[in-house]
Amino acid sequence: SQQGEEDPQALSIQEGENATMNCSYKTSINNLQWYRQNSGRGLVHLILIRSNEREKHSGRLRVTLDTSKKSSSLLITASRAADTASYFCATGNQGGSEKLVFGKGTKLTVNP
Amino acid sequence: SQTIHQWPATLVQPVGSPLSLECTVEGTSNPNLYWYRQAAGRGLQLLFYSVGIGQISSEVPQNLSASRPQDRQFILSSKKLLLSDSGFYLCAWSRGTAGNTIYFGEGSWLTVV
Repeated sequence: SQQGEEDPQALSIQEGENATMNCSYKTSINNLQWYRQNSGRGLVHLILIRSNEREKHSGRLRVTLDTSKKSSSLLITASRAADTASYFCATGNQGGSEKLVFGKGTKLTVNP
Repeated sequence: SQTIHQWPATLVQPVGSPLSLECTVEGTSNPNLYWYRQAAGRGLQLLFYSVGIGQISSEVPQNLSASRPQDRQFILSSKKLLLSDSGFYLCAWSRGTAGNTIYFGEGSWLTVV
């Protein structure tokens, strides 16, 4: 299975600190995406990184991808209480499948 | 702009009753459509996806079925609900190219009692 697996399962930090979440996957990918889910809501796309990219930035988000280690990390800098949510990685494989396969997520709590 | 709607938002159904969750997408044509399920505190499990009208791929054997009667309409159904069908169901769409961003609806909470 190419399912991504996030680590840690839960993370609790103070406002202003940085939060780092990791994702590992098993097979070759075309791209990797990160999503955010507020409790009881749908998922919202944050950022997509392609297999030929190593790092990507969007505002306070920084995503890295290491295809040799089959891993990615999501860094949220200067966290805010509003960043409290679950974060999921999703992988699209190189076989051209229309599917994205999601991991179980990291639950981030940012304490004010 | 594109929007996705799914309903109902919450549903409490007895065991053995039927189910119909509906999803529509506006502002795009020929989208890929998806149904995911999320059990409490768990990740997302892909149930069905569709690349066109009448084309449904099932990812896991289960008590549920899906249909796509129109280009931008996706329906999740069951003839007889089980307790294990309880969960948070998410409809989603993406453009018809592999690996594109997926856009989710707000979800439907189903409790089978």
